[in-house]
Amino acid sequence: GENVEQHPSTLSVQEGDSAVIKCTYSDSASNYFPWYKQELGKRPQLIIDIRSNVGEKKDQRIAVTLNKTAKHFSLHITETQPEDSAVYFCAARSAAGNKLTFGGGTRVLVKP
Amino acid sequence: NAGVTQTPKFQVLKTGQSMTLQCAQDMNHEYMSWYRQDPGMGLRLIHYSVGAGITDQGEVPNGYNVSRSTTEDFPLRLLSAAPSQTSVYFCASSYSGQGNQPQHFGDGTRLSIL
Repeated sequence: GENVEQHPSTLSVQEGDSAVIKCTYSDSASNYFPWYKQELGKRPQLIIDIRSNVGEKKDQRIAVTLNKTAKHFSLHITETQPEDSAVYFCAARSAAGNKLTFGGGTRVLVKP
Repeated sequence: NAGVTQTPKFQVLKTGQSMTLQCAQDMNHEYMSWYRQDPGMGLRLIHYSVGAGITDQGEVPNGYNVSRSTTEDFPLRLLSAAPSQTSVYFCASSYSGQGNQPQHFGDGTRLSIL
């Protein structure tokens, strides 16, 4: 089955700096890659997603890039703000199945 | 439109007890799933359903049962609770399990097994 690895597990940045989280996946048939943000004690919420036929997608300060050949994708947050502090999860869904496999999560702390 | 509703929000059980975690969605989604979230391990899929009457196992199905008698409801049953099942449980739904359909999560159930 699919295996998704996420790095780093924790990330501390100064307010205004950029944050980058990287994920790798094992199933070359995976075709959908969402990112979720989870604040303390809350539900995971979708912040951005990308399909395998797209190399990059942006939404204001958030961008995701996908390298199908290397089987990795990354989340980029620019001009970080304290409200960006949360746990972020990447995930991958295989075209062959109905399962969404999550990475282990990255705890991001934005220091003012 | 309430989205995905989970009950209860908190529960404490003794080892060996049984209980059912409830999940309901009002978005007419065909796909529903259950995850457990443990520290440092992300979200792991327990069971999922692609429609009423159809269920399948995820990554960690042992100790859990599910059923899908209606489109709206997808309860998760613990037949004999064990301390290893202490976790936060999230139910999620999406229009379908394929393609780029985003999953919508409920608020979670925090379960402690003593």
